[in-house]
Amino acid sequence: QSALTQPASVSGSPGQSITISCTGTTSDVGAYNWVSWYQQQPGKAPRVVIYDVSERPSGVSNRFSGSKSGNTASLTISGLQAEDEADYYCSSYTDRSTSLFGAGTKLTV
Amino acid sequence: QVQLVESGGGVVKPGGSLRLSCAASGFIFSDYYMTWIRQAPGKGLEWVSYISGDGRITYYADSVEGRFTMSRDNAKNSLYLQMNSLTAEDSAVYYCAKGHLGLGPWGQGTLVTVSS
Repeated sequence: QSALTQPASVSGSPGQSITISCTGTTSDVGAYNWVSWYQQQPGKAPRVVIYDVSERPSGVSNRFSGSKSGNTASLTISGLQAEDEADYYCSSYTDRSTSLFGAGTKLTV
Repeated sequence: QVQLVESGGGVVKPGGSLRLSCAASGFIFSDYYMTWIRQAPGKGLEWVSYISGDGRITYYADSVEGRFTMSRDNAKNSLYLQMNSLTAEDSAVYYCAKGHLGLGPWGQGTLVTVSS
């Protein structure tokens, strides 16, 4: 299976909002509300920032939000801060009972 | 708090085998699916496999199907990944993570290098 499609990079200024898209197919993103987003800062393990399309784990800033429309999921980060600079990956459950990651998006603040 | 610690990585020759372990603590291990994810140097994340809480259900990525076997020992709160017939494309940091849909937390990873 091919990776989910994400933009290679996005950028924004402190205080601004950005959105990262994650496009799949009717076999994964479009079929299930099991899309999650992961933040990976340099040299660190990833951490989940959104799960089940729009749920935010405890401890994650409410500046992070998620949504989905059709085969495309989105992660929005509002009020950008320098600490948000990282790689972001989306992931989706698939109709083969497997999971799939996106290729990742580098966020520059 | 929840802690996951991977071990067992190292350098192995092409065609060789390696067994990774993940020691879990801070939660009822047998209640949760667990997942292995890998990341080649400078590359993105790749889902590898997950296993149900009782160990009866496992699924694998096409890239490792038939070569890798995921298992768990709930009495020891431990997760394993037996990797056989390794190739250079299997070189990566291997992470274990709690859950199988929203994954978290993750361990710090263990590096596997396949090289002659």
